[in-house]
Amino acid sequence: GAVVSQHPSRVICKSGTSVKIECRSLDFQATTMFWYRQFPKQSLMLMATSNEGSKATYEQGVEKDKFLINHASLTLSTLTVTSAHPEDSSFYICSARDSRLAGYQETQYFGPGTRLLVL
Amino acid sequence: AQKVTQAQTEISVVEKEDVTLDCVYETRDTTYYLFWYKQPPSGELVFLIRRNSFDEQNEISGRYSWNFQKSTSSFNFTITASQVVDSAVYFCALRVPYNQGGKLIFGQGTELSVKP
Repeated sequence: GAVVSQHPSRVICKSGTSVKIECRSLDFQATTMFWYRQFPKQSLMLMATSNEGSKATYEQGVEKDKFLINHASLTLSTLTVTSAHPEDSSFYICSARDSRLAGYQETQYFGPGTRLLVL
Repeated sequence: AQKVTQAQTEISVVEKEDVTLDCVYETRDTTYYLFWYKQPPSGELVFLIRRNSFDEQNEISGRYSWNFQKSTSSFNFTITASQVVDSAVYFCALRVPYNQGGKLIFGQGTELSVKP
């Protein structure tokens, strides 16, 4: 099946620094990628939808100036957490939409996730 | 608005028991897709099944089976003869149509613990 990678898998940083997380679709082109966040013992919540060549669409309550998303190519989307604080510590997961198959067979593939710990 | 509810937060069973994880969804769309994912402690989501709204056939895959009932807006998941390796958090999800963004709306998750 299709593979989506994320890098890094784990990152620890100091409060106030910026962290960039990459999401790559390895064997298909993804015009749309999604960024989710999951706090411990909670569900996944969509942060934003990333579209290649255009601005990301953010969910209500997500600060677009804090979580910068760049979808510069059909296989890469990046999420930058700017001026990270301890409350941003979470598990960040991306998914990529594989539209090679039409209709109901179209699906999304998830990356393995990135654990961010802000000290 | 779309919503997915998994009322069972935690379930604990003994190995070889059967267990059913409940999922109830809400949507006004006539075409929609439902999913189940498994999330082991590593965190990576493992895709289990996708079902579209026009296909109400129940599905069986090994020890896993799914019961989709539109009349009750439910998409329940049963594990037969559970094993310790089944211990994980299971999420039911509803996909919004792509003309509305295509995002997945997840339930709260059910943490399944299978004890030897």
